[in-house]
Amino acid sequence: AQKVTQAQTEISVVEKEDVTLDCVYETRDTTYYLFWYKQPPSGELVFLIRRNSFDEQNEISGRYSWNFQKSTSSFNFTITASQVVDSAVYFCALSGNEKLTFGTGTRLTIIP
Amino acid sequence: NAGVTQTPKFQVLKTGQSMTLQCAQDMNHEYMSWYRQDPGMGLRLIHYSVGAGITDQGEVPNGYNVSRSTTEDFPLRLLSAAPSQTSVYFCASRIGTVNSPLHFGNGTRLTVT
Repeated sequence: AQKVTQAQTEISVVEKEDVTLDCVYETRDTTYYLFWYKQPPSGELVFLIRRNSFDEQNEISGRYSWNFQKSTSSFNFTITASQVVDSAVYFCALSGNEKLTFGTGTRLTIIP
Repeated sequence: NAGVTQTPKFQVLKTGQSMTLQCAQDMNHEYMSWYRQDPGMGLRLIHYSVGAGITDQGEVPNGYNVSRSTTEDFPLRLLSAAPSQTSVYFCASRIGTVNSPLHFGNGTRLTVT
């Protein structure tokens, strides 16, 4: 069975601070895929990034970066110089078959 | 390009009533799925389909039925609504490969009284 744990239920930081959202996963599959989605206050779900289990390179996209570590089964997401528009619920998800399993999400609030 | 369209946006039902949540996609995606989102529980998979005529159960299928007669449509039926089915429902689709991201509809907020 697949499991995704996002232990941080809510995080608040002051604008311009850096923040890291944690994601730990469990799977028995040797090939699997990890995702991050963003849900802003308007409610839609927006895809941010996908990572394959065989590719442990970290990725940076503007102020966003992702750190995938197979040894600790973690796929953490860092926002640098946070902005108010980053306020949202962020979900980590895992897929090894036809089912995509989501974590419970982390609500991030950026205080102006 | 409409993407994934869900109707209605909001619905209130009385316990025991039945209804169908509609989902349509215009991207020719083979895979479609339904999730429910509840506070503190993230998104949980209800049912999914890997192609027309094929459906399977997800994590929380009880009380829901689905069918997939066309590639475009994947309706979710509540047979006899219960207050525990009060939730926000999301339909999503993707191309056939499991490493592809899901494209989500805007959700249906359902309240069962």
